[in-house]
Amino acid sequence: GAVVSQHPSWVICKSGTSVKIECRSLDFQATTMFWYRQFPKQSLMLMATSNEGSKATYEQGVEKDKFLINHASLTLSTLTVTSAHPEDSSFYICSARERTGTGLLYGYTFGSGTRLTVV
Amino acid sequence: LAKTTQPISMDSYEGQEVNITCSHNNIATNDYITWYQQFPSQGPRFIIQGYKTKVTNEVASLFIPADRKSSTLSLPRVSLSDTAVYYCLVGVSNDYKLSFGAGTTVTVRA
Repeated sequence: GAVVSQHPSWVICKSGTSVKIECRSLDFQATTMFWYRQFPKQSLMLMATSNEGSKATYEQGVEKDKFLINHASLTLSTLTVTSAHPEDSSFYICSARERTGTGLLYGYTFGSGTRLTVV
Repeated sequence: LAKTTQPISMDSYEGQEVNITCSHNNIATNDYITWYQQFPSQGPRFIIQGYKTKVTNEVASLFIPADRKSSTLSLPRVSLSDTAVYYCLVGVSNDYKLSFGAGTTVTVRA
C-alpha cells in the first residue's frame, strides 16, 4: 500500500531556532499533501494544504510566515517552523493523497508524525 | 464535511466486541463514511470505509443504516493492542480536506 515517510520522528530545538520537517510519499505521486498539528489529548487540526508547484493554502488562524510549507516535487513536502517557541511544541503529522487515486477518502495516507519540543 | 458526533470514550475487555456509533445527521448524498485509528504518537491509520449497508474487512465491520444518519464501527474480539483513538469522518470523494472530530478513545483492559 501507499507509504508516507515523515522525518524526523522527534526533534528538540531551542527557542528562536527553525526546524524543518519532511514528508515524502515513497511509492506514489502526491499532488496534494496536508499538514496537521495535534496537541496532547486533542484531535488533529488541519494547518495547511500543500499543492505541488504552488503556494500552500493555510487554515484560518495559522501563521503562514511562521509555518513555511514547500511542495517542490510530487513526492516531497516540507514544513519549516520558523523562530520556534515553546507554544509551538506539538505533534505534527502530514498526509498525502495519491495523484491517480479514485478520490475516495481512503486514498489519504498519513505519516508517522513528528514530535517537536521547543525548549 | 458533515459534522460527526461520537462518544468520547469507551472501555472494554480483551475478547469482547466493541461497537462505536457515529452520528452524522447532515450527511450528504455523495458522502462516504470513513474510520481511522490512531495510536499515541503515530499518524492515523485507515480502518474501513463505506457508503451504505455493511462493509467488512479483516480488521472491522462498518454498519450503515438505510438513512445513513449514523454508522457503527464494530471491532470483533478486541485485544490490548486495539487501545487507540478512533475517528469517524464523513465527506465526499472529491473533498480533499479531512476534518477530524474529537474521536473515541477506546481502552481495552485485560
